[in-house]
Amino acid sequence: DTEVTQTPKHLVMGMTNKKSLKCEQHMGHRAMYWYKQKAKKPPELMFVYSYEKLSINESVPSRFSPECPNSSLLNLHLHALQPEDSALYLCASSQVLGLADYGQYFGPGTRLTVT
Amino acid sequence: SQQGEEDPQALSIQEGENATMNCSYKTSINNLQWYRQNSGRGLVHLILIRSNEREKHSGRLRVTLDTSKKSSSLLITASRAADTASYFCATVYTGGFKTIFGAGTRLFVKA
Repeated sequence: DTEVTQTPKHLVMGMTNKKSLKCEQHMGHRAMYWYKQKAKKPPELMFVYSYEKLSINESVPSRFSPECPNSSLLNLHLHALQPEDSALYLCASSQVLGLADYGQYFGPGTRLTVT
Repeated sequence: SQQGEEDPQALSIQEGENATMNCSYKTSINNLQWYRQNSGRGLVHLILIRSNEREKHSGRLRVTLDTSKKSSSLLITASRAADTASYFCATVYTGGFKTIFGAGTRLFVKA
């Protein structure tokens, strides 16, 4: 199984809502990533987990809260978002952090709209 | 500043023609990767070239790396309408772990 799955595919939320994005992989990868991508822009790294521990936080606002419950799952908890947070949120995984022989595997993304 | 600046920003060609995209970066790297993204979807890893490699092939894809010029190119031969997508180069700089994506080239192949 070489697939990264993400749910939901689309999410519309108000600025006072709390929601979560979910990501799952069963390739035995020990590094997992969250990226944010605005239209016609490249993905921007948000968080990296390595062996279920947060390794990189790219100064992301606290209204985004990542969680890695186990080696296969990655969540992104959302609270009190702003309209400018509307974007495509991509999850990715790789064998281990720092070893990129086969690149990263990306999920299809969650299209988030904040109203 | 951002690694992996690409040109052209957009490219429109006829089916059957070759497409060449270029990527430049600023600091020394461990490797350089190319990804494809169909509209609004996830990225697909195409090819990785290490800093000690100069050229790599995969099917209709040919990637070159010139570390002295800090640049790479992606050549897609005999393009097809299905190659229409955005193409991103991505670098992992020496001593680092982060993958940094370039601005991307939007390729449109006309049937």
